[in-house]
Amino acid sequence: EVQLLESGGGLVQPGGSLRLSCAASGFTFSTYGMSWVRQAPGKGLEWVSVISGSGAGTYYADSVKGRFTISRDNSQNTLYLQMTSLRVEDTAIYYCAKAKYCSGGSCNFDYWGQGTLVTVSS
Amino acid sequence: DIQMTQSPSTLSASVGDRVTITCRASQSISSWLAWYQQKPGKAPNLLIYKASSLQSGVPSRFSGSGSGTEFTLTISSLQPDDFATYYCQQYNSYSPLTFGGGTKVEIK
Repeated sequence: EVQLLESGGGLVQPGGSLRLSCAASGFTFSTYGMSWVRQAPGKGLEWVSVISGSGAGTYYADSVKGRFTISRDNSQNTLYLQMTSLRVEDTAIYYCAKAKYCSGGSCNFDYWGQGTLVTVSS
Repeated sequence: DIQMTQSPSTLSASVGDRVTITCRASQSISSWLAWYQQKPGKAPNLLIYKASSLQSGVPSRFSGSGSGTEFTLTISSLQPDDFATYYCQQYNSYSPLTFGGGTKVEIK
């Protein structure tokens, strides 16, 4: 059974940093692209970043480019999102998602974690 | 970036109704479109991929159609478990993937 378990969310001040983790199990982690998708309170879904199975390819939404870094440790079956220079508008539930299919960094997603809440506020 | 526009934003329907949700892309995405269902407090769930392929385990009352810039998600006979918000998502190669704004299906 595929499981994705996010952690690392919390309250952080504007300008601060946070690292999210997503522990994966139930599939061959290194074979699949992985992504972070966020959802601000009461709003729709917003793609944040994607990383290829090998980790060689990374892609970012313009809204986070230069501030967020996606990475993965295939030996630990774990996905990460390092977030710096956080803004109030980054407040959201952050989901990790397993790609079903990817082409050039654009993917669809067949499994999602339960999400972790990041709140950026002073 | 490719913009995805869903309509309607809210839909009121009764159990047993046939429901159709439309998603339009700002440029052609061939058939690179997925549909997700999201219930309150839960993660999204993949229903349809490649515009019309049913994800494993999804009831057959859900179907998708379209190509190019116009797509539809149809629920043939709405069930109590189907009241939720539905999102389309394009994944055209080498374009940042984008989601539609969502369609909330409410009880009439």
